Amino acid sequence: NAGVMQNPRHLVRRRGQEARLRCSPMKGHSHVYWYRQLPEEGLKFMVYLQKENIIDESGMPKERFSAEFPKEGPSILRIQQVVRGDSAAYFCASSPGGARNSPLHFGNGTRLTVT
Amino acid sequence: TQLLEQSPQFLSIQEGENLTVYCNSSSVFSSLQWYRQEPGEGPVLLVTVVTGGEVKKLKRLTFQFGDARKDSSLHITAAQPGDTGLYLCAGPQNSGNTPLVFGKGTRLSVIA
Repeated sequence: NAGVMQNPRHLVRRRGQEARLRCSPMKGHSHVYWYRQLPEEGLKFMVYLQKENIIDESGMPKERFSAEFPKEGPSILRIQQVVRGDSAAYFCASSPGGARNSPLHFGNGTRLTVT
Repeated sequence: TQLLEQSPQFLSIQEGENLTVYCNSSSVFSSLQWYRQEPGEGPVLLVTVVTGGEVKKLKRLTFQFGDARKDSSLHITAAQPGDTGLYLCAGPQNSGNTPLVFGKGTRLSVIA
């Protein structure tokens, strides 16, 4: 019974490169959420997606960041032209429904380091 | 945006001691969730509290939701090194589609 799978676990990029983070939700879950976590910080919401739809992207920077959850395949968080400030742990979570009380099932994150 | 404030930010105690950590807001939440996160891993749900005044127990952990649904507490009895981790509270926004908002967490260290 696989949980939320994120890859890669660690990603190193030079300034100006692109970073692609992948997330496969739990089986049967159609709602995906991306959060960012800095050291000694909680989780900051970035974007909420359903299959082929962005439901809420209010936490995602307007420039350089994009997310998708295609009909087939994993959800992708894409960061173009990375800067040092993008270094963080990025967590994906999924839920079976979008109910406000739905608990979130998290992956183990992708740790992005920008050099 | 509704905010959740957690205190203390850091807590270091000896094995066997009791402790309480807090999650407070000026806003009413329809529910609150508590998660524990260990180093290198994602948060794992511990409990959801829904009703004002509700108390839930999970072995040595006791969770309480305030009567006014603006605050919650987590009490650990006889802490063990395995309780070490980051404890996060989270709640849904009252409007819009934005999912859970998280507090910054309490980082607990239990020393053997």
